[in-house]
Amino acid sequence: DTGVSQNPRHKITKRGQNVTFRCDPISEHNRLYWYRQTLGQGPEFLTYFQNEAQLEKSRLLSDRFSAERPKGSFSTLEIQRTEQGDSAMYLCASSLDPYRTPAYGYTFGSGTRLTVV
Amino acid sequence: SQQGEEDPQALSIQEGENATMNCSYKTSINNLQWYRQNSGRGLVHLILIRSNEREKHSGRLRVTLDTSKKSSSLLITASRAADTASYFCATDAGRPASKLTFGTGTRLQVTL
Repeated sequence: DTGVSQNPRHKITKRGQNVTFRCDPISEHNRLYWYRQTLGQGPEFLTYFQNEAQLEKSRLLSDRFSAERPKGSFSTLEIQRTEQGDSAMYLCASSLDPYRTPAYGYTFGSGTRLTVV
Repeated sequence: SQQGEEDPQALSIQEGENATMNCSYKTSINNLQWYRQNSGRGLVHLILIRSNEREKHSGRLRVTLDTSKKSSSLLITASRAADTASYFCATDAGRPASKLTFGTGTRLQVTL
């Protein structure tokens, strides 16, 4: 494993189109998080998975957003009917269960930058 | 929503000088973490300090935590041009999600 991998790095889409992003976490990490970051701001929590179970979703995650983590491995984040306000950097992070191992922080991917035109 | 604020928003220093960034937060925490972000890239974990710790060191980094004031500071000693980046503090409220709530960040510019 060389870290958390996110694809694509950049995505430009027209308003109203659907987009899907992929995140491949560090293989032994059972926790996976999605964050969104707009220009000049810190990342904001969207959702997280413990293995394949999605355990919490932020109010930021409208009905147009859906995330999956089949078999507890990679994860996808889909945005349907994109809007210009969805333009942001979407960051994925993974970690071990912080309550079974000494907490050491997340490992983030490089992000997917989405531009909705 | 952002957990708190970082101060200053931007900092410009010369190579070799020390850089100090401050972070304030609003709610109880399990731990506080600092991350670095180079322009347009993901975040890199720098250091984690637990709520029962007051100070921690890692290489040229020194972090302090004052839970009574709900504040933390990050000191980078002997800064280098490669330290140029945005620095974010993030609080972890603990169970169950252990999700992070980030501050607004400090943009550090280190010039030669």
